[in-house]
Amino acid sequence: DSGVTQTPKHLITATGQRVTLRCSPRSGDLSVYWYQQSLDQGLQFLIQYYNGEERAKGNILERFSAQQFPDLHSELNLSSLELGDSALYFCASSVALAGDGYGYTFGSGTRLTVV
Amino acid sequence: GEDVEQSLFLSVREGDSSVINCTYTDSSSTYLYWYKQEPGAGLQLLTYIFSNMDMKQDQRLTVLLNKKDKHLSLRIADTQTGDSAIYFCAEKGSSGAGSYQLTFGKGTKLSVIP
Repeated sequence: DSGVTQTPKHLITATGQRVTLRCSPRSGDLSVYWYQQSLDQGLQFLIQYYNGEERAKGNILERFSAQQFPDLHSELNLSSLELGDSALYFCASSVALAGDGYGYTFGSGTRLTVV
Repeated sequence: GEDVEQSLFLSVREGDSSVINCTYTDSSSTYLYWYKQEPGAGLQLLTYIFSNMDMKQDQRLTVLLNKKDKHLSLRIADTQTGDSAIYFCAEKGSSGAGSYQLTFGKGTKLSVIP
């Protein structure tokens, strides 16, 4: 157990629907990162939050949004889902804004299947 | 922009050494990392190297960094079947405003033949 908790582990939904993925960072970590892993694109950085504030954006679609709450858990909202959104979504956390020599700690991911 | 390249597959016999290679583009990277992903699991940090180092050894793992060529390698000595996994190279680069993110390669799938 890495200390980063992601729920649900698996999600199957239909095109056009909206889902919410949840992440609880490791205790003491203030930064949360979301990544999308697909076979053809590899691991793509989506977005970073630090202590409740958005700090960096990567290749995140406009249909996707995220937030980090006062208790530091984070949610990734995916709407108007398309077949191509099927992927593994990982959350990672780190202590500081800048990361450190320890990199990130990853959760075990949420596998999203859009049918 | 940042880019990290790795070969996609590597096959070795049990007991041999494995060498996984990676090239990166961001010359300002301060840390470089190797992560391991087993089937159905998240990424687990294996080791990292600070950019002012040439080599780092940690038990069976040896990381070599050639900063001039922006080349990173991971050597696994006495490779075991339990080492079969996907190995990701990652560099830490700045995304501005004091924030950093890790950029990952697409991963090298290591298959260990008994």
